[in-house]
Amino acid sequence: SQKIEQNSEALNIQEGKTATLTCNYTNYSPAYLQWYRQDPGRGPVFLLLIRENEKEKRKERLKVTFDTTLKQSLFHITASQPADSATYLCALALYNQGGKLIFGQGTELSVKP
Amino acid sequence: DAGVIQSPRHEVTEMGQEVTLRCKPISGHNSLFWYRQTMMRGLELLIYFNNNVPIDDSGMPEDRFSAKMPNASFSTLKIQPSEPRDSAVYFCASSLEGTGIGNTIYFGEGSWLTVV
Repeated sequence: SQKIEQNSEALNIQEGKTATLTCNYTNYSPAYLQWYRQDPGRGPVFLLLIRENEKEKRKERLKVTFDTTLKQSLFHITASQPADSATYLCALALYNQGGKLIFGQGTELSVKP
Repeated sequence: DAGVIQSPRHEVTEMGQEVTLRCKPISGHNSLFWYRQTMMRGLELLIYFNNNVPIDDSGMPEDRFSAKMPNASFSTLKIQPSEPRDSAVYFCASSLEGTGIGNTIYFGEGSWLTVV
């Protein structure tokens, strides 16, 4: 069956450390993968997109890797801050699906000062 | 840009009542999505439209759910009759398809539905 799995347990880290979140998928062949941030009571907000032929993408303190052999994406936040505390969702976009995204359950990140 | 606008933000209704959720996508976007989010099941795609035409409604849970997009700037998601298990946050989202750079989806703030 098709699955997208993210760390179900909340990730608690100290301010200044690097947070690493994992997204694994099975039985999908995504054209690209996106990461979103969701704050309580709000809608998800797009952060980064990485295509199947890209290994790594960076944006400021954020870095995403995409390994289609391992069927895994890693999302890193360097020099984390309490303001980075939120739930992070990965989403797969499939070929010929007209922009349809399939989301993982999300991982809650808590950055302590 | 005002972003994706949803209404109502919160709705509490009794079981058996009809619920209508509304969405105004970002101007110029030609794809519209309705998602449902619960603790148990996460964010699930219910239906999406492209150029006002429903493309994939395989996520609509049952016949009690229906969605329409009469024009490029408005969509509704209707539940009739509503049941307690429909309690969830319903998100509308829109995107500009066919840009060739990937479809970033912009979400509204959600409609929080409670059916008692």
